[in-house]
Amino acid sequence: ETGVTQTPRHLVMGMTNKKSLKCEQHLGHNAMYWYKQSAKKPLELMFVYSLEERVENNSVPSRFSPECPNSSHLFLHLHTLQPEDSALYLCASSQGRGPLEAFFGQGTRLTVV
Amino acid sequence: GQQVMQIPQYQHVQEGEDFTTYCNSSTTLSNIQWYKQRPGGHPVFLIQLVKSGEVKKQKRLTFQFGEAKKNSSLHITATQTTDVGTYFCAGRMKTSYDKVIFGPGTSLSVIP
Repeated sequence: ETGVTQTPRHLVMGMTNKKSLKCEQHLGHNAMYWYKQSAKKPLELMFVYSLEERVENNSVPSRFSPECPNSSHLFLHLHTLQPEDSALYLCASSQGRGPLEAFFGQGTRLTVV
Repeated sequence: GQQVMQIPQYQHVQEGEDFTTYCNSSTTLSNIQWYKQRPGGHPVFLIQLVKSGEVKKQKRLTFQFGEAKKNSSLHITATQTTDVGTYFCAGRMKTSYDKVIFGPGTSLSVIP
């Protein structure tokens, strides 16, 4: 158990659906991240939140919409996704945006049909 | 753009053999981190290197950070089946303290 919990663990959704991924950290960290892990591709940083403020958005399509209501919770709202968006979505947290280790959740395996 | 590369992409070793993965950055790094991801699991932090030429050891694992802070290596001595997984390096770019870029990883298989 890493202290970072993601739900759901698996999600299958149609291209017209709207769903949300949830991440919760119990480590008292003040920075949270969304990563996308596709087969045969490096981990891709999607969004960074620090102190509930979005500080980085790596050219992610608008069909992905993050939300950070407080320092312990992070959401990724999904709508009108494409099959190529199927991947493992990993949430991570760290103490500060500085060079400190990131703790990852177990990920949500998303399949878009 | 800024890139972090790793070689090899895959490595199959006999149990007991040594293993090394190399990480190279296109730009100077402020620090480098190493993570391990077991099959079906999530990345787990192993170590962080900050100083030029730094060497750190964790039991059978030896981590090095290059003098120019653009490359790093992870060496495992006498591999065991528990070492199976993908090893990622993650470099923090010196030009932006917020930017961490992961390498593509090296997938290690250990044949018992």
